[in-house]
Parts: sequence; C-alpha cells; structure tokens
Amino acid sequence: AQKVTQAQTEISVVEKEDVTLDCVYETRDTTYYLFWYKQPPSGELVFLIRRNSFDEQNEISGRYSWNFQKSTSSFNFTITASQVVDSAVYFCALTSLRGYGGSQGNLIFGKGTKLSVKP
Amino acid sequence: DSGVTQTPKHLITATGQRVTLRCSPRSGDLSVYWYQQSLDQGLQFLIQYYNGEERAKGNILERFSAQQFPDLHSELNLSSLELGDSALYFCASSADRDRGAFFGQGTRLTVV
Repeated sequence: AQKVTQAQTEISVVEKEDVTLDCVYETRDTTYYLFWYKQPPSGELVFLIRRNSFDEQNEISGRYSWNFQKSTSSFNFTITASQVVDSAVYFCALTSLRGYGGSQGNLIFGKGTKLSVKP
Repeated sequence: DSGVTQTPKHLITATGQRVTLRCSPRSGDLSVYWYQQSLDQGLQFLIQYYNGEERAKGNILERFSAQQFPDLHSELNLSSLELGDSALYFCASSADRDRGAFFGQGTRLTVV
C-alpha cells in the first residue's frame, strides 16, 4: 500500500527563521512521483514541486528547497527566511504509474503540516 | 490560476438533499479527478474520469456519483446528504504528459 506521513501537525516560527517540513512515504513501486502542495487560508491547492523517483537531485527555488532521499524514503521541504505569507497548510503527496489504474493524477496525500509564521 | 474552474464556490444545503458540483478542466486535459477534503479524513481521492469514461475509483460513497461529458467538463453528484458530507470538494485535471494534477479552487459544501 502507498502511504504518506507528515508527522508534524503544526509548526510555528517567527519571521525570518528557517523551517523544514518533513515527509516520509511508502510505496512498493520503483517509479513514482512526489509532490508538495500549499493550501493558504483561502483554500486553494497550489502546486509547488514535482519530483520523480529517478531524480534525487535537491532543488532550490528562491527561498524554497527540497531534499529527496530514497534511502530514507523522505522528501523534505525547507523554507529559508520564512515570511508571514508562507503561513499555510503544506501537503506532501505521492503517485505512481501503477496507482489507481495507472494514472498520474491520483494522489495519495499526507495529513498536512500547518505552518504559522508570526511577525 | 490553475486553469481548472469549479462552481459553485460555496453551497449550503439541508440533510437529505442532492447537489451537483461542476468542474471545467484545463483546456485539452482529458483526465478529471475529484477529491474530498474533510477535517476527519484529510484529502481523499474519490474518482477519476478519462475522456468520458470512469478510470478509477477511490473512497467514494455509493450516494455519490460523477460523470464527464463530451466537452470534458465533469459533474459530481452528491445525494441523500448527511452532516458528515460537509467538506471542501476539489476537482483536478491533467494531461497525459503530466505527472500530477492541477487543482481548482474547490467547492465548499455545508450540510445543515
């Protein structure tokens, strides 16, 4: 079975602090995709990043960076110099080519981590 | 803007009623997915349609059904509504080349 675990339910930081959101996944498939989505208070789900199982390179996009480690089945997300606008619930998700009829859009989501950034 | 449009944004209805949620996918996307987000269950995949045909089912109740029309828009029908059906319902779409899905802004359903 596939599973995504986000052990941190809530995190509170002060603006400009760095914060790391943890994501651990389980899958038997060798080809899979991992995602991070952001859900701000307004409710929409905003796509942040996709990573496939063959690409373990870390990625940096502005203040955001992602650390993918297959050895520990983790795909962690770090926000550097956090800002109040980063306050949101962040979801990690997983899909594989053989999940739910072979489609790539059937995502298994973690429970999410609520990040509060205080001024 | 993801390009996926959901209507209505908010819906309040009484127990026992039936509602229809509508989704217009991104232009050209053949796959449409429905998800439910509730406090209890988190974000759960309900059902997928691909070019008009049901492709996959997740944790969808028998009281719920969906369809995808020739113009590729989709509707999610929720019947015999219960208080526990109150949730945020998302539609997402993807193209064959995509790995993942693009989500609409959701329909917030409140059953009173």
